[in-house]
Amino acid sequence: AQSVAQPEDQVNVAEGNPLTVKCTYSVSGNPYLFWYVQYPNRGLQFLLKYITGDNLVKGSYGFEAEFNKSQTSFHLKKPSALVSDSALYFCAVRDTGQGNLIFGKGTKLSVKP
Amino acid sequence: DAGVIQSPRHEVTEMGQEVTLRCKPISGHNSLFWYRQTMMRGLELLIYFNNNVPIDDSGMPEDRFSAKMPNASFSTLKIQPSEPRDSAVYFCASRQGDSPLHFGNGTRLTVT
Repeated sequence: AQSVAQPEDQVNVAEGNPLTVKCTYSVSGNPYLFWYVQYPNRGLQFLLKYITGDNLVKGSYGFEAEFNKSQTSFHLKKPSALVSDSALYFCAVRDTGQGNLIFGKGTKLSVKP
Repeated sequence: DAGVIQSPRHEVTEMGQEVTLRCKPISGHNSLFWYRQTMMRGLELLIYFNNNVPIDDSGMPEDRFSAKMPNASFSTLKIQPSEPRDSAVYFCASRQGDSPLHFGNGTRLTVT
């Protein structure tokens, strides 16, 4: 069965510093991986996805993610964090059998000025 | 594009009452998903539809939960009777083909 794990419940970063939010996955076959962001009292918003191709995927709001097959990881990154990036971030994998998304538990990102 | 529209935004009800949550997907999207979000369990898929047909309802907690999609522009999730443990934020999401999921802003359900 497909699954993703987000090992950190919370990540704290100072504004202007680089940020990384970690995600590892377990799939049979080729992974379809996603990152979503959730702001308070809002639904999830799509940031980026990896299906095939370059291991470095660029997405919305300056975010990017690095796919690493040998480490089964898909970490979310941003070179310079903004206070407005503070939110809940979800990694997800597409269930190749059914087509639905399976989400991780989420990581709360807190960016301090 | 108005996005995925859910109603109501907030629902407070007493245990034993029937609750109906509503969702209007984005026009042209052919798949619709219902998720539940809680602190303890995170995001759980309840059920999803493809072309108005339920494909996977294995996430529906029990017989108290039911979902319908009578047409391409409307879906309901009903809980009858409701229980305090059903308190959560319920999200509806839709997509077209392999495009990313678009989520509504959710319905926060509180059952007292």
